[in-house]
Amino acid sequence: NAGVTQTPKFRILKIGQSMTLQCTQDMNHNYMYWYRQDPGMGLKLIYYSVGAGITDKGEVPNGYNVSRSTTEDFPLRLELAAPSQTSVYFCASREWDRGGLNTEAFFGQGTRLTVV
Amino acid sequence: AQSVAQPEDQVNVAEGNPLTVKCTYSVSGNPYLFWYVQYPNRGLQFLLKYITGDNLVKGSYGFEAEFNKSQTSFHLKKPSALVSDSALYFCAVRVRLNQAGTALIFGKGTTLSVSS
Repeated sequence: NAGVTQTPKFRILKIGQSMTLQCTQDMNHNYMYWYRQDPGMGLKLIYYSVGAGITDKGEVPNGYNVSRSTTEDFPLRLELAAPSQTSVYFCASREWDRGGLNTEAFFGQGTRLTVV
Repeated sequence: AQSVAQPEDQVNVAEGNPLTVKCTYSVSGNPYLFWYVQYPNRGLQFLLKYITGDNLVKGSYGFEAEFNKSQTSFHLKKPSALVSDSALYFCAVRVRLNQAGTALIFGKGTTLSVSS
């Protein structure tokens, strides 16, 4: 039972570098999300997707991009890393609500990113 | 604006005593409410949810939560705390982002510390 898998677990980037945070889920979920977690701030939604080929911005999308070419994968791209992007990033997924039963989201283990 | 508030940054309780972690919300329409727990260096784990029906919801690890519509609250409770319950707890509410998508918005989190 892999669930939601994120790679890498840790990464240090220099200012201006780019990287992709990988997220894959094996539950055939339609919804996928990217959140960032900063101390004392809770989780903020960066981007989300309701299915392959469909993505949309969340609350804090600036400096990030996403794609959803398959149901399983939802990578998050940082093009020009900035110190403000130092955070812990979580990917989550959930299936469509079925028959009025609102489904809960499943989270990955997180990627701890430091930009120096 | 739709939001979730967790008024306490930290809750301290002795093992064996009852615990309460507070959450209030502000959303339009019927609220779909969730509690998640995060252990150090881990992702978020689902504890319980309120969708409709009975105001007292039972979840994992002996936790329960009480929904109070008039006070717009959804407090997390446990009759007898364990040291292993020490973790970061998040309250969340589902909001509609657009016609197609919904997502969770989170409170800032409450650190629960259970002493032996």
